[in-house]
Amino acid sequence: QVQLVQSGSELKKPGASVNVSCEASGYTFTHYAMNWVRQAPGQGLEWMGWINTNTGNPIYAQGFRGRFVFSLDTSVSTAYLQISSLKAEDTAMYYCVREADGFDIWGQGTMVTVSS
Amino acid sequence: DIQMTQSPSSLSASVGDRVTITCRASQGIGNYLAWYQQKPGKVPKLLIYEASTLQSGVPSRFSGSRSGTDFTLTISSLQPEDVATYYCQNYNTAPFTFGPGTKVDIK
Repeated sequence: QVQLVQSGSELKKPGASVNVSCEASGYTFTHYAMNWVRQAPGQGLEWMGWINTNTGNPIYAQGFRGRFVFSLDTSVSTAYLQISSLKAEDTAMYYCVREADGFDIWGQGTMVTVSS
Repeated sequence: DIQMTQSPSSLSASVGDRVTITCRASQGIGNYLAWYQQKPGKVPKLLIYEASTLQSGVPSRFSGSRSGTDFTLTISSLQPEDVATYYCQNYNTAPFTFGPGTKVDIK
């Protein structure tokens, strides 16, 4: 079936980096854009940006430029989110989401906790 | 950037009630409006896209409509399993902003 499977929860110290992976299956990876959405504890959904899975060109929402990097490995149908110089306020659930008509397929989420 | 507002921020209704949630875009987005349901502790789920098209598998008690830049999600007969937070989203023009959410629970 069509699904996105993300890597597991992460506990990091401030200043460290984290990589979140998102493996797609059940569809042609390059036929759909991949988006990233953040949800801080108890808060709403925040669109971080998207990456064109054909060209690899990323677009970042304001507030996610600089420390956040989207990338791909199309040979294994996987998208990646790297966050550098982690701060406590980066503590959140991060979702990869396929874009079709609306955001139709969501990964299960990766909880990133930043704490000293 | 397009701003999305939702009202109310929360509501409490009885089982069987008709529930209406409104979402307003700060500028025109055509029909590129989606609604999502997020149950407590769960992953968001697409309910409606293109303002009024029901995603496959979504119960028919959910419906969506548009009037200009105002959009409405209606639950025709609220069920206990509908307890969730509902979000609208513009996907016409980046940034693909979500509304702040409407929390629905049972009275």
